[in-house]
Amino acid sequence: DAKTTQPPSMDCAEGRAANLPCNHSTISGNEYVYWYRQIHSQGPQYIIHGLKNNETNEMASLIITEDRKSSTLILPHATLRDTAVYYCIVRVAYTQGGSEKLVFGKGTKLTVNP
Amino acid sequence: GAVVSQHPSRVICKSGTSVKIECRSLDFQATTMFWYRQFPKKSLMLMATSNEGSKATYEQGVEKDKFLINHASLTLSTLTVTSAHPEDSSFYICSARDYGAKAFFGQGTRLTVV
Repeated sequence: DAKTTQPPSMDCAEGRAANLPCNHSTISGNEYVYWYRQIHSQGPQYIIHGLKNNETNEMASLIITEDRKSSTLILPHATLRDTAVYYCIVRVAYTQGGSEKLVFGKGTKLTVNP
Repeated sequence: GAVVSQHPSRVICKSGTSVKIECRSLDFQATTMFWYRQFPKKSLMLMATSNEGSKATYEQGVEKDKFLINHASLTLSTLTVTSAHPEDSSFYICSARDYGAKAFFGQGTRLTVV
């Protein structure tokens, strides 16, 4: 079962920041927070991941609360192409040779409007 | 980012026949590959995890004789849907993990059984 809770849907205006929340109140100390997105009829695309520090890359920023029980994915300037289902996933830390699986919840359907 | 190629992207087959789906990691060695299926408007459901050179580990409720997985090399895993029936029609997605912490997904295969 997924260990995260996300709102089923959100809307955002084009050019504005999209802030997608995720609750993971039962996260363990060795679990990372991952974000993926799935554009219709395609495979999921990796966005970002983090453990406890805030992270930023060319796609997005990830803000993790100090108690690590929730996080927010920020798309700073949403475009129409960012319309997708966004999945927040917690997963145990990497171990060489391990097979830690990604368990998907229902995600948030983000619609970016013109 | 790393590239995972899945083939075919679409396939239509007759009921009772078998269908093979290939998943290749193009620019990295995949120690572990995962197979998911996704029904319309639903999230991804993990079917099985395969490690190169060993038997796949299937999730509860997934028939291993129905969905044959072969992970013969570090760059190729195959999923064979045997004796396919209309209820097997779905979107099948593979994922590959390298020695790092991220998993990369193929573009998916739309299987229609008629």
